[in-house]
Amino acid sequence: ETGVTQSPTHLIKTRGQQVTLRCSSQSGHNTVSWYQQALGQGPQFIFQYYREEENGRGNFPPRFSGLQFPNYSSELNVNALELDDSALYLCASSLGTGGAKNIQYFGAGTRLSVL
Amino acid sequence: GENVEQHPSTLSVQEGDSAVIKCTYSDSASNYFPWYKQELGKRPQLIIDIRSNVGEKKDQRIAVTLNKTAKHFSLHITETQPEDSAVYFCAASSKGSYIPTFGRGTSLIVHP
Repeated sequence: ETGVTQSPTHLIKTRGQQVTLRCSSQSGHNTVSWYQQALGQGPQFIFQYYREEENGRGNFPPRFSGLQFPNYSSELNVNALELDDSALYLCASSLGTGGAKNIQYFGAGTRLSVL
Repeated sequence: GENVEQHPSTLSVQEGDSAVIKCTYSDSASNYFPWYKQELGKRPQLIIDIRSNVGEKKDQRIAVTLNKTAKHFSLHITETQPEDSAVYFCAASSKGSYIPTFGRGTSLIVHP
């Protein structure tokens, strides 16, 4: 069974640039969620994709957008980067969206630094 | 929306002691409470979870208790070992949204 993989592991960008982060879900999982984890904080939910459709969104501005592909892999795009966007971005996949199916299996994350 | 408070932020214990981490939640509709362990530089990993129809759940040295009336739940680790050192996160989610809201984390340090 293949776990959740994310790329790249580290990324440095400057303010105003755009970034794309990638996630491959665990085998058999059709749901992907993205989280932002600032230093010393818990993961904050950005949005979730279920079968290629957005299935819920946290309190993040529209410049945070995403996609899910037919193979259930996913992208997180952030436009007009701000210094406060510096964080660890975690992707998690799950079997589905209901009950025990929504147990989140995390990737190792992408560390984004905005200078 | 859901709000999860977690205490303490840091917990330092001697090897062999017990450790208790407490969380409170605000949404009475929350019915699923997972706990994650995140070692330095690694991904959060689910270590135990509990549903609202159960008051306590144990898995070897780890146990979780839930008090629905008071809206709080706790993680108990007995006979702590240095490899238990990590950041622990609690979370809560409801049947409606299924999206977990995380606490801010507790850094557990187990001194040999």
